[in-house]
Amino acid sequence: DAKTTQPNSMESNEEEPVHLPCNHSTISGTDYIHWYRQLPSQGPEYVIHGLTSNVNNRMASLAIAEDRKSSTLILHRATLRDAAVYYCILRDLSSGDKLTFGTGTRLAVRP
Amino acid sequence: DTGVSQDPRHKITKRGQNVTFRCDPISEHNRLYWYRQTLGQGPEFLTYFQNEAQLEKSRLLSDRFSAERPKGSFSTLEIQRTEQGDSAMYLCASSLAWGEGDTEAFFGQGTRLTVV
Repeated sequence: DAKTTQPNSMESNEEEPVHLPCNHSTISGTDYIHWYRQLPSQGPEYVIHGLTSNVNNRMASLAIAEDRKSSTLILHRATLRDAAVYYCILRDLSSGDKLTFGTGTRLAVRP
Repeated sequence: DTGVSQDPRHKITKRGQNVTFRCDPISEHNRLYWYRQTLGQGPEFLTYFQNEAQLEKSRLLSDRFSAERPKGSFSTLEIQRTEQGDSAMYLCASSLAWGEGDTEAFFGQGTRLTVV
């Protein structure tokens, strides 16, 4: 499975934007970039995914570099409820359909 | 549908005992996944099913672990002769298979196993 690299932790102030980076230099052409987050004492929850183009949904935006070797999850206005571990995952149809999690980025939000 | 449910939420067992966990996926989802998570780590893939067929098992899944999904609905994960190293959160997730619409996986809240 192609690997992703994320910072271990980040901090943000409430109501400010947060940019969570992810490097995936060995990404293949068939890998989709998925983001999940895990709130304390909860199972992971889906945030967003994309292949080549930038994506927006109600939770976040995903900016994908032109060469696809990196991506950034953008939370437009962080709230205290966004404090969680954020996982960047490459999902490849050709090697099974499972999600392979790394250790993620722990986001702390300061009031 | 109330999402993916797991039972029990917590289980304390003595070393050497057998335990069984249950997962009820979202009803129309044909894919079901089991993961294990220890403190400070991301979830580790164990196995997954498409309908009743078990399609992949991780090398992490020793002979003491077995999973079933009879009739392609709920699933059970059994651990025989539990060891202290089995203490972890066991997570279940379900989704539609890729190419059948939504691609997101929905996770349950997990079963926390403590082996004493």
